[in-house]
Amino acid sequence: GNSVTQMEGPVTLSEEAFLTINCTYTATGYPSLFWYVQYPGEGLQLLLKATKADDKGSNKGFEATYRKETTSFHLEKGSVQVSDSAVYFCALKDNTNAGKSTFGDGTTLTVKP
Amino acid sequence: DGGITQSPKYLFRKEGQNVTLSCEQNLNHDAMYWYRQDPGQGLRLIYYSQIVNDFQKGDIAEGYSVSREKKESFPLTVTSAQKNPTAFYLCASSIGQGERPQHFGDGTRLSIL
Repeated sequence: GNSVTQMEGPVTLSEEAFLTINCTYTATGYPSLFWYVQYPGEGLQLLLKATKADDKGSNKGFEATYRKETTSFHLEKGSVQVSDSAVYFCALKDNTNAGKSTFGDGTTLTVKP
Repeated sequence: DGGITQSPKYLFRKEGQNVTLSCEQNLNHDAMYWYRQDPGQGLRLIYYSQIVNDFQKGDIAEGYSVSREKKESFPLTVTSAQKNPTAFYLCASSIGQGERPQHFGDGTRLSIL
């Protein structure tokens, strides 16, 4: 079956540091890939997505590139802010299996001033 | 084993009818969420509840209603006011507000006849 593995947290960074959260996946076919963010007290929000190999999703300074050869979709940001503190989930959507989504376990990011 | 149970897996609705999607969890989680997913899109938050007898609207609450009378149950009603209800609906829960891990049900696919 499909699976998503993302780096364990928690991750603690200082403001303006570079962020990488690793995500790798296994899937049959050609899934779409997503990063979601969950701020304290709220539900998941879509952060960015990529629907095919070599696509780069970007939003709010975050980027991730769909790498089919390494089955990865690592999340990066060049300079984090305190307001980026949240839980980040990597996910894939199987476009062949009734659209079922598979989520990673989430990575908690804390950014200190 | 603990988890989230959504039922039914597939649901068909006639135009003008209300339908209710079931979501039950035995994880003793306080927070529960409903998301909608359309083809090629990520999850969008419909409603969430952080505690029994309390819930808040998400990004796309119009045409939907929820109740949280019991900790383990968070049913979603798709009303006739929802003009484009055909989608995949996913229920989730977490221990507390914004905490991971966020557990997900298997989803319900709703179609209009």
